[in-house]
Amino acid sequence: GQNIDQPTEMTATEGAIVQINCTYQTSGFNGLFWYQQHAGEAPTFLSYNVLDGLEEKGRFSSFLSRSKGYSYLLLKELQMKDSASYLCAYLYNFNKFYFGSGTKLNVKP
Amino acid sequence: GAVVSQHPSWVICKSGTSVKIECRSLDFQATTMFWYRQFPKQSLMLMATSNEGSKATYEQGVEKDKFLINHASLTLSTLTVTSAHPEDSSFYICSASSGTDYEQYFGPGTRLTVT
Repeated sequence: GQNIDQPTEMTATEGAIVQINCTYQTSGFNGLFWYQQHAGEAPTFLSYNVLDGLEEKGRFSSFLSRSKGYSYLLLKELQMKDSASYLCAYLYNFNKFYFGSGTKLNVKP
Repeated sequence: GAVVSQHPSWVICKSGTSVKIECRSLDFQATTMFWYRQFPKQSLMLMATSNEGSKATYEQGVEKDKFLINHASLTLSTLTVTSAHPEDSSFYICSASSGTDYEQYFGPGTRLTVT
């Protein structure tokens, strides 16, 4: 793997904003992807960053700092259906992905 | 577009038997397919990468003689778990990439239970 770290679990309230962080080692880096996964289902693509900065896509935004080996996924206006695991994945040498252990997000009313 | 299917969606087999899982890209040509394994409450672990017409590249610690991967066409890759044992019980997920961008499209997964 590529030493990808993200928090194991987070809890937030419906309507709030939550930030899920991801750190990685920087060798062979070509992009950082974020996926959502509900229990028992395959991951679905949310966002990706290749260059530094913020990518906004509706309620979801993702940020990348390549020099710091750091990314975050920002979820706004949380909904109950956002309760899921969020996986960051590191694109290595343009041809393979390594996934973090996932952050389980619990959204409470 | 960009739909990937897997078959079967679940399988239960006896210890010592072999199981084949198919991964198909339905509406695009997949130059590269990836196979992952996911144990309960854990993330996806990359097992191997396969390119059409060539041998698969296995990740460290994955036995290539136990997990046979064939990528015979641009729309089909198969994973065969040979002599399956209970510890092989897991959720196996494939993904496919067209090569035109870096996005990978995931199949729905196959849940394998070895008794």
